[in-house]
Amino acid sequence: RKEVEQDPGPFNVPEGATVAFNCTYSNSASQSFFWYRQDCRKEPKLLMSVYSSGNEDGRFTAQLNRASQYISLLIRDSKLSDSATYLCVVNDNQGGKLIFGQGTELSVKP
Amino acid sequence: EPEVTQTPSHQVTQMGQEVILRCVPISNHLYFYWYRQILGQKVEFLVSFYNNEISEKSEIFDDQFSVERPDGSNFTLKIRSTKLEDSAMYFCASSQGFGNQPQHFGDGTRLSIL
Repeated sequence: RKEVEQDPGPFNVPEGATVAFNCTYSNSASQSFFWYRQDCRKEPKLLMSVYSSGNEDGRFTAQLNRASQYISLLIRDSKLSDSATYLCVVNDNQGGKLIFGQGTELSVKP
Repeated sequence: EPEVTQTPSHQVTQMGQEVILRCVPISNHLYFYWYRQILGQKVEFLVSFYNNEISEKSEIFDDQFSVERPDGSNFTLKIRSTKLEDSAMYFCASSQGFGNQPQHFGDGTRLSIL
């Protein structure tokens, strides 16, 4: 089983749509979770941390289900500028190393 | 907003040569990391560094690789005797703390081995 597994993409959605990404992780001892976004051939940029109680940042909502080892990201009212690859990232806390998923590509069309 | 800076942005090197990739982490950060991303693949951890020593390294980070913090600001990755398969984007990252502290990435060095 892959350490961090994400929905295969690409997701092609119209502007204004709501889109959800899912992610599962294999290490039940993982403690920290993040969503990063990556534009083509650029660096990963932190989108948001994911907390056990769930958290929201504007149009973005992240959820964590520790029992199922499942993380989600919901984007509401999607914009053209949301087009990117979304990376599910887990910190195993043993040495601070981040474990990345393969990423899910999102393309928002006019 | 403070950022991690990396140089050069693109490095082209002949196979077998040595390269040094440079990074300036965010100034009040204490933990430093190198990752790489081969074209079309996921981002992979190479090494973490804290208090002037390696905290953890991956299987990829073998004797060909080394890291150093030669002064109070720079953090370098040296790759000796480069191979074709070392071609990738190399990202430096830093964080204030450990665990739930997010890591901030530099914009990367694209390494091309010919």
